[in-house]
Amino acid sequence: NAGVTQTPKFQVLKTGQSMTLQCAQDMNHEYMSWYRQDPGMGLRLIHYSVGAGITDQGEVPNGYNVSRSTTEDFPLRLLSAAPSQTSVYFCASSYLDRGQTQYFGPGTRLLVL
Amino acid sequence: LAKTTQPISMDSYEGQEVNITCSHNNIATNDYITWYQQFPSQGPRFIIQGYKTKVTNEVASLFIPADRKSSTLSLPRVSLSDTAVYYCLVGGGNAGNMLTFGGGTRLMVKP
Repeated sequence: NAGVTQTPKFQVLKTGQSMTLQCAQDMNHEYMSWYRQDPGMGLRLIHYSVGAGITDQGEVPNGYNVSRSTTEDFPLRLLSAAPSQTSVYFCASSYLDRGQTQYFGPGTRLLVL
Repeated sequence: LAKTTQPISMDSYEGQEVNITCSHNNIATNDYITWYQQFPSQGPRFIIQGYKTKVTNEVASLFIPADRKSSTLSLPRVSLSDTAVYYCLVGGGNAGNMLTFGGGTRLMVKP
């Protein structure tokens, strides 16, 4: 199993540009989520999904869109990048069992100029 | 959502036992307590999970009192490689609820 994979590893954007961060998992997990982590800070939940076709907002959803057309993929779209979105983005997945132990991807480092 | 409170940082020395406590006063009946470890430039990694009493695995122990309003992660005989940020997360009891992290505890292990 590859686990949770994220692409790209690193990206530089200019203010106003849009892009999609990719996340895929091969563990047949129902639950997937996106977090952002600013330097020296904890993880903040952006969006999450409990299955294909179902998404919901987390703590900091503004400026981001998600979709879940398949169980495996959960892309995160930045609509119009801003410097405040400079961060490291982590995708995670879990079964919808009791406890929901999450498995995290390696992260995408985003710099918005 | 069950809010968690942890010490911001802790220092220890190699070979010592480290105990990190997490407060979660409004934990829900079905919530689990899960601890993750994060190294710089990496995603968090699962360490241990429990619901009540004590859980032990090959890397840590988790102590949960009867009222479940706090929990303690115990790392036996830490080494330099245990230097990391440790997060306590409470949730996962009602499938599909969002899972949010607190601020974490930055553990520094010194030689």
